[in-house]
Amino acid sequence: DAMVIQNPRYQVTQFGKPVTLSCSQTLNHNVMYWYQQKSSQAPKLLFHYYDKDFNNEADTPDNFQSRRPNTSFCFLDIRSPGLGDAAMYLCATSRDRGLNQPQHFGDGTRLSIL
Amino acid sequence: GENVEQHPSTLSVQEGDSAVIKCTYSDSASNYFPWYKQELGKRPQLIIDIRSNVGEKKDQRIAVTLNKTAKHFSLHITETQPEDSAVYFCAAKWVGDTGGFKTIFGAGTRLFVKA
Repeated sequence: DAMVIQNPRYQVTQFGKPVTLSCSQTLNHNVMYWYQQKSSQAPKLLFHYYDKDFNNEADTPDNFQSRRPNTSFCFLDIRSPGLGDAAMYLCATSRDRGLNQPQHFGDGTRLSIL
Repeated sequence: GENVEQHPSTLSVQEGDSAVIKCTYSDSASNYFPWYKQELGKRPQLIIDIRSNVGEKKDQRIAVTLNKTAKHFSLHITETQPEDSAVYFCAAKWVGDTGGFKTIFGAGTRLFVKA
């Protein structure tokens, strides 16, 4: 039973064409995260929402935006994808931000840029 | 800022042998250390974690040790099986009194268990 669902699994877009990746969760968790993972590298946190509070990482490019319209859904918007944005994008949730709050990951969306 | 180094990047062991993966962190304020296993094309999954007030934790064939003084922690897998083959990520998490937090992942270790 998938608890963190990412759609689509594979996304192809053109250079410079805006793209949106989606994530939904059935866990009713307060925190939702977006990570970028490039081949053979660690996941890199882009930003997270704590409830409705948006927290951007200092080194996340302005090209990346996020929306969380309700508890269950969170979107990653890439306004003008470049070739360097091709990666796996992982969504994760945690019940809260405290210690011992494991992150539950989705299966990811692999983004390709033509 | 916080940095997590993970070694080795690749580890190959024979089935039944033990595997050890080591991580070091730079921020002494880090107080939670999870380990994730990511099989090819699948999501990272938490396999074990340890808090900074604990030196060792074990769950069946998997154990994690933490040395706060030296700022390093290790994952130990005993009696390895082919299904243990995956990429393993360590992470260090800092949680502040006001609710702020930060999680940094290591670069990952690709473990191959040869049958």
